[in-house]
Amino acid sequence: DSGVTQTPKHLITATGQRVTLRCSPRSGDLSVYWYQQSLDQGLQFLIQYYNGEERAKGNILERFSAQQFPDLHSELNLSSLELGDSALYFCASSVGTGVHGYTFGSGTRLTVV
Amino acid sequence: AQKITQTQPGMFVQEKEAVTLDCTYDTSDQSYGLFWYKQPSSGEMIFLIYQGSYDEQNATEGRYSLNFQKARKSANLVISASQLGDSAMYFCAMREAFSSGSARQLTFGSGTQLTVLP
Repeated sequence: DSGVTQTPKHLITATGQRVTLRCSPRSGDLSVYWYQQSLDQGLQFLIQYYNGEERAKGNILERFSAQQFPDLHSELNLSSLELGDSALYFCASSVGTGVHGYTFGSGTRLTVV
Repeated sequence: AQKITQTQPGMFVQEKEAVTLDCTYDTSDQSYGLFWYKQPSSGEMIFLIYQGSYDEQNATEGRYSLNFQKARKSANLVISASQLGDSAMYFCAMREAFSSGSARQLTFGSGTQLTVLP
């Protein structure tokens, strides 16, 4: 167990639907990062939150949004789903100014049918 | 432009042999960090080794070592005495300079699929 918890582990949904992926960071970690891993795009950074505030944005679609709550857990919301959104979504966490130490969750595998 | 380049989509190595996985990077930052992760077929991302840009010595962690050549902007992973369980996808990643007190995100290369042959 890495200490970063992602739920659910697997999700199958239909095109056009909306889903929410959840991430609980490792205890004490203030930063949460979301990544999308697909066969054609590789590992792409989506968005980072630090202590409740959005800190950096990557290649995140407008249909996607995220937030980090006061207890530091984070949710990634994916709406109007398309077949191409099928991917493995990772959450990682780190201590704010840690030299290294990004801890990844086991991922949520999303399949859009 | 690609920030992290892994030119070997696939590699084969005989069990008990050493193997080098290549990684080159591009950054204008003076302070940065380089990481290697292992992703087995089960999907999880496993941290292997870290090298800071100011570290004078190459990082080592057990059978893993990082051949850091700053002037050439390369950070190759060396796995000694390969084991069957080393078969996995390996990713090189870079973290650029800190921003406003929080660590920056990792940028990943495209990965190298390593297969260890018995």
